Amino acid sequence: KQEVTQIPAALSVPEGENLVLNCSFTDSAIYNLQWFRQDPGKGLTSLLLIQSSQREQTSGRLNASLDKSSGRSTLYIAASQPGDSATYLCAALGGSYIPTFGRGTSLIVHP
Amino acid sequence: DAGVIQSPRHEVTEMGQEVTLRCKPISGHDYLFWYRQTMMRGLELLIYFNNNVPIDDSGMPEDRFSAKMPNASFSTLKIQPSEPRDSAVYFCASSLKGIAGELFFGEGSRLTVL
Repeated sequence: KQEVTQIPAALSVPEGENLVLNCSFTDSAIYNLQWFRQDPGKGLTSLLLIQSSQREQTSGRLNASLDKSSGRSTLYIAASQPGDSATYLCAALGGSYIPTFGRGTSLIVHP
Repeated sequence: DAGVIQSPRHEVTEMGQEVTLRCKPISGHDYLFWYRQTMMRGLELLIYFNNNVPIDDSGMPEDRFSAKMPNASFSTLKIQPSEPRDSAVYFCASSLKGIAGELFFGEGSRLTVL
């Protein structure tokens, strides 16, 4: 059974800081790793999808990396802004199991 | 594309009543997933379909829950009878490339059972 853990569970930082959110998974035989953002009362918005053949993906101030051998992915947020405040979830996709989510990291960026 | 569409967005009902949640996946996506999100358990997969056929319903908590996908553009999740512990946000997601493909979520249906 795949298990996904996200650390830290919560994070509060001042505006402008560079952040690293961590996602670890127990079974490295995944196909893809997807990062999502969830705002309160809303659905999950896809941020980045890293395919198993890739090591990282970038979108604007976001950069996600994937190290399958160590069972880890990181989401790097550069120059954080108050609008980045949300919960960030990662999901391990593929292999021999259903899509499996971590519990998320709740991020607050204060002005 | 309109994305994954769910209805209703909010549902408040009394214990014992039947609840039906609806989902329209993204056109062309052949995988559809139903998830439940609670503070206690996070996101849990209830059931998923491939080409309208249920593939894995091991996450469905009890016989009170049932799901159907009569065609490629519509799915329902039904709870009968509902109980207070069913209160949660129910999400529908769709994918083009199987269980390893990129997931796209709807806005969710927030269910409160009194």
